[in-house]
Amino acid sequence: GENVEQHPSTLSVQEGDSAVIKCTYSDSASNYFPWYKQELGKGPQLIIDIRSNVGEKKDQRIAVTLNKTAKHFSLHITETQPEDSAVYFCAASLGGGGTASKLTFGTGTRLQVTL
Amino acid sequence: EAQVTQNPRYLITVTGKKLTVTCSQNMNHEYMSWYRQDPGLGLRQIYYSMNVEVTDKGDVPEGYKVSRKEKRNFPLILESPSPNQTSLYFCASSRYSDRTYGYTFGSGTRLTVV
Repeated sequence: GENVEQHPSTLSVQEGDSAVIKCTYSDSASNYFPWYKQELGKGPQLIIDIRSNVGEKKDQRIAVTLNKTAKHFSLHITETQPEDSAVYFCAASLGGGGTASKLTFGTGTRLQVTL
Repeated sequence: EAQVTQNPRYLITVTGKKLTVTCSQNMNHEYMSWYRQDPGLGLRQIYYSMNVEVTDKGDVPEGYKVSRKEKRNFPLILESPSPNQTSLYFCASSRYSDRTYGYTFGSGTRLTVV
């Protein structure tokens, strides 16, 4: 089955700096890659996703890049703010409906934005 | 408000005492799933359901049961809980289609089995 590895496990940046979280996946058939943000005491919330027919997607201060050849994808957060502090999870899926909807998650990155 | 509602939020129980964690969604989603979250292991799928009366095992189904009698509800049942099932549990739902869409997660249930 799919295996997703995520690095780093913890990341501390100063407010205003950029943060990058990287994930690799094992199944070359995977073609849907969402990112989730989990704040303390809450469930994960989808913040951005990308499908394999595009290499990059941006939404304001966050962006995701995908390299299908190397089987890795990354989350980029620019101009970090204290409210960006949370645990971030990457995930991968075959991208189809039904059983192909299953998301396999990375182990998470705890991002801390310091003042 | 579109949401997935889990109950209870916190639960402490004793080994062997059957319990049920409820999950309900109001988005008319076909696909529902249970995950457990453990430190250093991320989120692992326990069971999923593609529609009413259609359920299947995920990666860590041992010790759990589920049912899907109605589209909106997907309870997680622990017939005889053990301490290794102490974890943070999340229910999630997604619309069924010819491709995957992002899940909507509940707020979680923190279960402690003593």
